[in-house]
Amino acid sequence: AQRVTQPEKLLSVFKGAPVELKCNYSYSGSPELFWYVQYSRQRLQLLLRHISRESIKGFTADLNKGETSFHLKKPFAQEEDSAMYYCALSTLNNDMRFGAGTRLTVKP
Amino acid sequence: GAVVSQHPSRVICKSGTSVKIECRSLDFQATTMFWYRQFPKQSLMLMATSNEGSKATYEQGVEKDKFLINHASLTLSTLTVTSAHPEDSSFYICSASRGAPGNEQFFGPGTRLTVL
Repeated sequence: AQRVTQPEKLLSVFKGAPVELKCNYSYSGSPELFWYVQYSRQRLQLLLRHISRESIKGFTADLNKGETSFHLKKPFAQEEDSAMYYCALSTLNNDMRFGAGTRLTVKP
Repeated sequence: GAVVSQHPSRVICKSGTSVKIECRSLDFQATTMFWYRQFPKQSLMLMATSNEGSKATYEQGVEKDKFLINHASLTLSTLTVTSAHPEDSSFYICSASRGAPGNEQFFGPGTRLTVL
């Protein structure tokens, strides 16, 4: 069965500090992985996907098939990064499985 | 582009009544639409996946007779909560994609359902 695990419900860092949001997955097929973000009072939106290997708002995520991980990283966190972050896995049927989410708070 | 709307944004109903929630893709054709449920401070739980013109595929544990999903066109899907009860109170979110595996999903703003 497909499963996405985000071990940290809450993560708090100071502005300018590096941040890493952990995500592990289990899926027998070839995974398509995403990070979605939900800012306060806004809808869920795509942050980045592994297939495009891009950096959005300074965030990057590398798919590590050996460790079945897709951790989200940013070298210098900003206050505006405070939000709820969801790691998600898309299956061949296009179903999206979401992790429990990590609430990131960046303190000034 | 790729905007998804939901209507209504908030609904309060009496126990035993039915409530319909609409999900529309405003500027693209959504081959596939998804319905999620989100409890307070919890993640999104996929309820069902619907492809235009065919029956929805429900996740295990989701009652198809209680949560009726219709996807009659490429821009509209509806979720009807039948005979709603207080335990159905939740935040319902739809998303839409253009259909290819791994395609980005675009999310609606959600509908807050409160059943009294």
